[in-house]
Amino acid sequence: DAKTTQPPSMDCAEGRAANLPCNHSTISGNEYVYWYRQIHSQGPQYIIHGLKNNETNEMASLIITEDRKSSTLILPHATLRDTAVYYCIASPPNTGNQFYFGTGTSLTVIP
Amino acid sequence: GAVVSQHPSRVICKSGTSVKIECRSLDFQATTMFWYRQFPKKSLMLMATSNEGSKATYEQGVEKDKFLINHASLTLSTLTVTSAHPEDSSFYICSASGSGYGELFFGEGSRLTVL
Repeated sequence: DAKTTQPPSMDCAEGRAANLPCNHSTISGNEYVYWYRQIHSQGPQYIIHGLKNNETNEMASLIITEDRKSSTLILPHATLRDTAVYYCIASPPNTGNQFYFGTGTSLTVIP
Repeated sequence: GAVVSQHPSRVICKSGTSVKIECRSLDFQATTMFWYRQFPKKSLMLMATSNEGSKATYEQGVEKDKFLINHASLTLSTLTVTSAHPEDSSFYICSASGSGYGELFFGEGSRLTVL
């Protein structure tokens, strides 16, 4: 898996957009970018993934730069329940491939 | 998304005893499951890859005789912590891949406390 780098922590005001960056400058051509979050004392929750096109689902949007060396997860209207540790992982899409987690970004949504 | 369930969610045991944690994929078949361990304020550490019908593959530094993994069916993998000691106290999390896009779905986690 390509190594990913994320800021250790971020704050965001409730109701505002939360933009979480991830650097994956050594990503390979077949590696997808996956985002997960972990709320305290729970298992990680899948958010979104993408290869090179921007993606959007009911939870978030994923913006991947054209050179694929970085990406941004966007939570359009952050709520207090979005307070969590967010992990960015670059990995091939094959079923059975291991995911190695970095240190992630601890997002705190402030009232 | 796909559902992965773990049991028990919390377990307390005495030092020297063994504890089994179950991981089930409820609405899909999982050829491969993964076991992670997480210490307080730390990230998830991959322990082993569990393959249905074959021996698990352990990450470097993980004792295979201490952390026994069995993946006897496409919907169930078990992790047994043998002869548990206080330093084995941790949050154990399993996951499985639910589709060809490789995204993993995680269980709720099992918190083990060894007294």
